[in-house]
Amino acid sequence: EPEVTQTPSHQVTQMGQEVILRCVPISNHLYFYWYRQILGQKVEFLVSFYNNEISEKSEIFDDQFSVERPDGSNFTLKIRSTKLEDSAMYFCASSGLAGLSYEQYFGPGTRLTVT
Amino acid sequence: AQTVTQSQPEMSVQEAETVTLSCTYDTSENNYYLFWYKQPPSRQMILVIRQEAYKQQNATENRFSVNFQKAAKSFSLKISDSQLGDTAMYFCAFMKQRTSGSRLTFGEGTQLTVNP
Repeated sequence: EPEVTQTPSHQVTQMGQEVILRCVPISNHLYFYWYRQILGQKVEFLVSFYNNEISEKSEIFDDQFSVERPDGSNFTLKIRSTKLEDSAMYFCASSGLAGLSYEQYFGPGTRLTVT
Repeated sequence: AQTVTQSQPEMSVQEAETVTLSCTYDTSENNYYLFWYKQPPSRQMILVIRQEAYKQQNATENRFSVNFQKAAKSFSLKISDSQLGDTAMYFCAFMKQRTSGSRLTFGEGTQLTVNP
């Protein structure tokens, strides 16, 4: 069964450093998403991406964040100048065309620890 | 803006028993989807069940079923014949029905423990 994959599973970085989290969505999906979950809290939407551009972003997704689909398979989240409060689990998700296949399938997550 | 509320932070149930997790939501939308996701200790988010708001019939997936009350904006999850592997955090989620991909809005979660 096709699945969303994410690398790395755990990333430790120092405050102020840049990190890139990588995701490979399900191959025939067209919509891609990033969510984050601070430990013990609910899952929060960051951004959605379609047709090589951001379709929606939350108030959390400020200039510190960017997303990119550098090739036909990868989808990345870049965090510039990380802060302690960026420590969280970051989930990538993908879905097909709304109305045909709207369910979002999640990857296993990348645990980001900022020290 | 949509909000999703799960009023039960923790619940427990004996193996083989039935348990119901509550969820309410607030929206001005008429067309939307509702979901339950399971998050075991591995923290993977696993889709359990989905409900389209335009469907009156409650969704069922094996031991999992929902009670969808659109007028009351209530969407509870019933787990029958609970198994130890059902122990997890359960999140209720809302999504607007649009032509393009919509965000999921999650509740705070309910930690379910199934006891042997």
